[in-house]
Amino acid sequence: DAKTTQPTSMDCAEGRAANLPCNHSTISGNEYVYWYRQIHSQGPQYIIHGLKNNETNEMASLIITEDRKSSTLILPHATLRDTAVYYCIVDINTGTASKLTFGTGTRLQVTL
Amino acid sequence: GAVVSQHPSWVICKSGTSVKIECRSLDFQATTMFWYRQFPKQSLMLMATSNEGSKATYEQGVEKDKFLINHASLTLSTLTVTSAHPEDSSFYICSATNGGELFFGEGSRLTVL
Repeated sequence: DAKTTQPTSMDCAEGRAANLPCNHSTISGNEYVYWYRQIHSQGPQYIIHGLKNNETNEMASLIITEDRKSSTLILPHATLRDTAVYYCIVDINTGTASKLTFGTGTRLQVTL
Repeated sequence: GAVVSQHPSWVICKSGTSVKIECRSLDFQATTMFWYRQFPKQSLMLMATSNEGSKATYEQGVEKDKFLINHASLTLSTLTVTSAHPEDSSFYICSATNGGELFFGEGSRLTVL
């Protein structure tokens, strides 16, 4: 699996957009970009994933660069409940099993 | 969405005892489940991959005789920490796949005194 690089921590004011970057310069053509988050003392929560095109769901938007070497997770209107560690993971979506390798993630602190 | 439940959510035990943690997929059949361990302020580390009806595949450095994994049905996998010691105190998390998406349990916090 390709490795990812994320900033260790970020702050965001409540109500503002939180933009979390991720570098995955060695990603291969069949690897997807996944984003999960982990609120303190809970299991990881799936946010979004994509291959090439930008994706949006009720939680967030995922912007993937044309060369796929980096991506940005956007939380459009961050709230205090979005404070968590956000993990960017690249993995092959085999459709049968997904053994995700977690990096260190970005600790997002949303403040008043 | 699909739900994966872990039990117990927290457990305290004495050193030398064994502890069993259950991971259940509540509304889907999970052919594969994964077990992770997370120490304070660290990321999740994959321990093993559990396939229904077969032996688990352990990651390098994880003792299979200490961390017994059983996946006897499509909805249940168990992790037994045998002869637990204080250094085994950790947050244990399972995940399960229905062949597409991956769903995580809420985690089980083990404290060994």
